[in-house]
Amino acid sequence: SQQGEEDPQALSIQEGENATMNCSYKTSINNLQWYRQNSGRGLVHLILIRSNEREKHSGRLRVTLDTSKKSSSLLITASRAADTASYFCATGAEYTGANSKLTFGKGITLSVRP
Amino acid sequence: NAGVMQNPRHLVRRRGQEARLRCSPMKGHSHVYWYRQLPEEGLKFMVYLQKENIIDESGMPKERFSAEFPKEGPSILRIQQVVRGDSAAYFCASSPQAGGYNEQFFGPGTRLTVL
Repeated sequence: SQQGEEDPQALSIQEGENATMNCSYKTSINNLQWYRQNSGRGLVHLILIRSNEREKHSGRLRVTLDTSKKSSSLLITASRAADTASYFCATGAEYTGANSKLTFGKGITLSVRP
Repeated sequence: NAGVMQNPRHLVRRRGQEARLRCSPMKGHSHVYWYRQLPEEGLKFMVYLQKENIIDESGMPKERFSAEFPKEGPSILRIQQVVRGDSAAYFCASSPQAGGYNEQFFGPGTRLTVL
């Protein structure tokens, strides 16, 4: 079954607007990570949030984690055309140690119009 | 410090041939993960290796697929007798032996096309 499920599946916004993407998961986790993938390219790690953290910031990125609701959100503020990409959330399971596999969602396609 | 290296970047094989995908982790990283991405899909875990050991192969198909991470040299994902359904992007990731908290660094991927 799909562990991380993002919504919306696709998002189109104007440059300068904020983009909010959500991720839900099913089982207990050790950590949750967000990645970006430009078309036909590899994944770029954006941010990791541990299960005992509630919010984390990195530049224009803000990630929240609500373990009671098993959900996370990624906020990109003041979006740019260069933010156009697919965004994936990935979870690390709780009981498999610090170097466990990641379970990915299907991703959100973000389009930022200039 | 070079990132995770994968080669080849593109690989074309005919049905029945063998495909070998190579991954060199980041310097100092001794944990390697292989993932497969089908078109319009997220990444699916295949196998997790440390030097000379397979730690978790729960995502590997039972037949035709194998992986290794020798003491010296890159990690290899080997697909024997490829079929069209094997066409996908294969990504390798690595993480450090100590420190970090499961942050995985991904390579650029190998795009396998089976004709």
